[in-house]
Parts: sequence; C-alpha cells; structure tokens
Amino acid sequence: QKEVEQNSGPLSVPEGAIASLNCTYSDRGSQSFFWYRQYSGKSPELIMSIYSNGDKEDGRFTAQLNKASQYVSLLIRDSQPSDSATYLCAVKNYGGSQGNLIFGKGTKLSVKP
Amino acid sequence: DGGITQSPKYLFRKEGQNVTLSCEQNLNHDAMYWYRQDPGQGLRLIYYSQIVNDFQKGDIAEGYSVSREKKESFPLTVTSAQKNPTAFYLCASSIDRAFQPQHFGDGTRLSIL
Repeated sequence: QKEVEQNSGPLSVPEGAIASLNCTYSDRGSQSFFWYRQYSGKSPELIMSIYSNGDKEDGRFTAQLNKASQYVSLLIRDSQPSDSATYLCAVKNYGGSQGNLIFGKGTKLSVKP
Repeated sequence: DGGITQSPKYLFRKEGQNVTLSCEQNLNHDAMYWYRQDPGQGLRLIYYSQIVNDFQKGDIAEGYSVSREKKESFPLTVTSAQKNPTAFYLCASSIDRAFQPQHFGDGTRLSIL
C-alpha cells in the first residue's frame, strides 16, 4: 500500500519566521510531488510542484525533494497569519493503473501574529 | 474565466435516496476525478476518467457511480448503497492523467437528514 505521511500538527510559528513542513512517501517509483494549501472549509489549492531532486523556489515558498531519502518538504519564509491553513502533500507514481495521486492527511500550520 | 464548477455547495440526502453532485470544467482538461474528504483525513479517490465515455474505480468506489458523456462534465451519484455519505466531495481535473497537477473545484458538502 503506497503511503504518504505527514505530521498532523498543529505546527505553530510566529509571524515572520520560517515554517518547515515535511512529508515522507513509501513508493520509490514516485516521480511527481505536489504541495496543496487548504483553508478550513475550502478546497485544496496547488502551491508548488517539484519533479527532480533539489530545491525549487517560488516567492516565499521553497519545495525540497530528496528521492534517495524519500522525503519532500515545504519551507515558507516570512510566514504570515494568512498562511495559516492545512498543507497537503501529494505524490504521484506513473506506474500503470496505480498512477494516481496519493495524498497525505495534511499538516495544520498556525502563524501567530 | 477558466475553472471547475461544483454544485450545489451544500446537499442533504434522505435515507434511501440517490443524489447527484455536479462537476463542470471549462479548462479543456481530458482527465477528471472525484475525491472524498472526511475530517482529519486525506483525500480518497472515488472515481476517475481519462477520456470521454471511460472511467475507472478509485480506492472507495462502492456506493458511488459516475458518467462521462461530455468532456466538460463528470457528475457523481451517491447511491443509497453508500451508508456513510456525509463528507466533503471534491472534483478535480488535469490536462491528462499522466500530467499532473490536478486543480480542484470548490467542493460539495453532503450531509444526511
């Protein structure tokens, strides 16, 4: 059973700090990795995609991928109260009929003013 | 404005009743998906469709049915066989199934009367 694990949190950081969210996955064949942000009562919104080892930066967000260690992380710099949400990690394996997105249960982030 | 429209936002089902959730997209995406989200849980795949007139069961298809008669539309019926239908239902689409990421509609919240 392919799994994606995230710490459920809540992760609490002060405004302006760096928030670090982590995700591990079980399937070594995974090839695409995504971070979604979900505000309470709303649908998930894609914020980052990463496909190769290393770092990918987009504004205040940096995704980091290490396929050898099977983890992917999301760093949020200069955290704002508006970043308070649940962050979902999603992993895709292209193998055959199992090539669907597998979602973690999410990490709840709280940014305190 | 391109996007995915789900309706209704809230739906109530009586015992023994079938209900249909609507999902329409104008993104010209080939692949469409239905997920179920329960509190504190990750997204679980119900059905997906890669192309018109074709769809496949996901991880939790029992008690649900779908159709894909048009590229733009992928309605989900929650049948009376689904004994625990109360959840947040999310429709998503992607350019094709091999290419992610998926983008989500605003969701439908289904409750039992």
